[in-house]
Amino acid sequence: AQSVTQPDIHITVSEGASLELRCNYSYGATPYLFWYVQSPGQGLQLLLKYFSGDTLVQGIKGFEAEFKRSQSSFNLRKPSVHWSDAAEYFCAVVRFSGGYNKLIFGAGTRLAVHP
Amino acid sequence: DVKVTQSSRYLVKRTGEKVFLECVQDMDHENMFWYRQDPGLGLRLIYFSYDVKMKEKGDIPEGYSVSREKKERFSLILESASTNQTSMYLCATTSTGALLISYEQYFGPGTRLTVT
Repeated sequence: AQSVTQPDIHITVSEGASLELRCNYSYGATPYLFWYVQSPGQGLQLLLKYFSGDTLVQGIKGFEAEFKRSQSSFNLRKPSVHWSDAAEYFCAVVRFSGGYNKLIFGAGTRLAVHP
Repeated sequence: DVKVTQSSRYLVKRTGEKVFLECVQDMDHENMFWYRQDPGLGLRLIYFSYDVKMKEKGDIPEGYSVSREKKERFSLILESASTNQTSMYLCATTSTGALLISYEQYFGPGTRLTVT
């Protein structure tokens, strides 16, 4: 069954530094992958998604992610982090089962940004 | 913009009480979902609905039920609340049908439920 692993529970970076959040998936065929962000006290907001085609996907707020089939990864990146990026980030994959598609989420990575 | 609202941001209930969490969306989406979010576990699907009066169990349905009498409203019911149901509950919607793959979900702000 499809699953998602986010190896890092907490990450701290300095403002202006680059960021990479890791996501590994388990799925035999081409997965449908998402990154969501949850700011404090808010619901989840979609950052970007990958279904097929170009393996480098651009999202909102200056984020991008690269799909690497050989590494079963879909890591999220940002070249220069802003203090407002402090949030929790979730990677998700679509699970196809019984005719209904569901989103399977990773455990999340909480990002702290130092001034 | 899609708007998904949840009836309460914070809720405190006693063990054994019947609890209703309401979710309302204004974009005529067919599909609605209830998740619970716990630290270190991410989001786990409780129930979902692809149409009015239709419901399907998610990964952790035990102790919960749902109701969808109108397209825009999806209710999560805890028949007899227990302390292990203390959690953040998130509602989500999407406009695609069950077999389509666009699958971008729109989330409400969440209800933090504490059961004492």
